[in-house]
Amino acid sequence: GAGVSQSPSNKVTEKGKDVELRCDPISGHTALYWYRQSLGQGLEFLIYFQGNSAPDKSGLPSDRFSAERTGGSVSTLTIQRTQQEDSAVYLCASSSSTGSGTQYFGPGTRLLVL
Amino acid sequence: AQSVTQLDSQVPVFEEAPVELRCNYSSSVSVYLFWYVQYPNQGLQLLLKYLSGSTLVKGINGFEAEFNKSQTSFHLRKPSVHISDTAEYFCAAYGSSNTGKLIFGQGTTLQVKP
Repeated sequence: GAGVSQSPSNKVTEKGKDVELRCDPISGHTALYWYRQSLGQGLEFLIYFQGNSAPDKSGLPSDRFSAERTGGSVSTLTIQRTQQEDSAVYLCASSSSTGSGTQYFGPGTRLLVL
Repeated sequence: AQSVTQLDSQVPVFEEAPVELRCNYSSSVSVYLFWYVQYPNQGLQLLLKYLSGSTLVKGINGFEAEFNKSQTSFHLRKPSVHISDTAEYFCAAYGSSNTGKLIFGQGTTLQVKP
């Protein structure tokens, strides 16, 4: 079956612009996670969705970052007023359950802020 | 603090030699432990996981790992590596919350030489 997909695969933007990153999880997966992978910080958790609600937003680095999930499926991560330090690979993962459920990762969106 | 530590940032090894990638976890994370592999410009792929039961876990591509509670370790091993195993490997654990968010180590780059 189809895996987790993310779009765009690459995004180049200018400092100060807003960007939206999209994640399509595996059909039927109720849990969805966003992570960020950067050279200096490694892989960091950003936010977790269970259905359409986000009970854990503890990893969002600032209020410029927000995310939503609609219909228990697609999720969008929005970064407002991008900064150069936002340059990273943004990974999305989904799971059929929390706890011991395996997380399946998408290929990521590579964001470069000039 | 919750942490997962990978003791080697790079591991060079010759083809057909055995390899061990080391991982230690802090007592504040859960003992649900994972190894993921990331090939260049791709997302993360699950190699294996330990949830409970036998401390020796077998995964895909001939990899295995051993959970050692007394040493808080979860080292990854393969008896004979191939060129195609060249990739970055991440050890991860669930954080202490029940959201299933993963705490990752910094990654180990396995470089298999001919």
